[in-house]
Amino acid sequence: EPEVTQTPSHQVTQMGQEVILRCVPISNHLYFYWYRQILGQKVEFLVSFYNNEISEKSEIFDDQFSVERPDGSNFTLKIRSTKLEDSAMYFCASSEPRQSGGRNEQFFGPGTRLTVL
Amino acid sequence: RKEVEQDPGPFNVPEGATVAFNCTYSNSASQSFFWYRQDCRKEPKLLMSVYSSGNEDGRFTAQLNRASQYISLLIRDSKLSDSATYLCVVNAGGYNKLIFGAGTRLAVHP
Repeated sequence: EPEVTQTPSHQVTQMGQEVILRCVPISNHLYFYWYRQILGQKVEFLVSFYNNEISEKSEIFDDQFSVERPDGSNFTLKIRSTKLEDSAMYFCASSEPRQSGGRNEQFFGPGTRLTVL
Repeated sequence: RKEVEQDPGPFNVPEGATVAFNCTYSNSASQSFFWYRQDCRKEPKLLMSVYSSGNEDGRFTAQLNRASQYISLLIRDSKLSDSATYLCVVNAGGYNKLIFGAGTRLAVHP
């Protein structure tokens, strides 16, 4: 069964450092997403990406965040200057486009646990 | 009002029990509805989409009431492996972004 993969599984970084979280979405999916979950809290939407551009972003996704699809398979989330409050689990997800009859069923990767010290 | 509201639980039930979870959502323009399950420190896994007519998948039955903006999940014949947090999830109106509830914890004991 196809699945979303993410690397690394755990990233520890110092405050102010840049991190890049990587994801490989399911191969025939065209919508890609990043969500985060702070420990003990609910899953929160960060950004959606379609056709090589951001289609929607939340207020959490400020200028410190960026996303990129550098090649045909990877989808990355960059945090330029990490803060303590960026510590969370970051989940990548992907879905088929609605035009193909998809109901926006999003499939999540195993996550990257980011710890900012 | 929270965008997606769920009873946090925990629901502690014996194996074989039937348990029901409820959820309300605030955005009347939401079009897609889901139940995900999340095990501790793992990713949300899609359990089932919820259709207007209600739908069943094995021991799991989901219902949607658009007028009341209410979604339910019924689990019959609970198994130990059903122990998890169940997340009620809706899309944000016409957009693809998903709005998650905080989840309802289920603990099934022998």
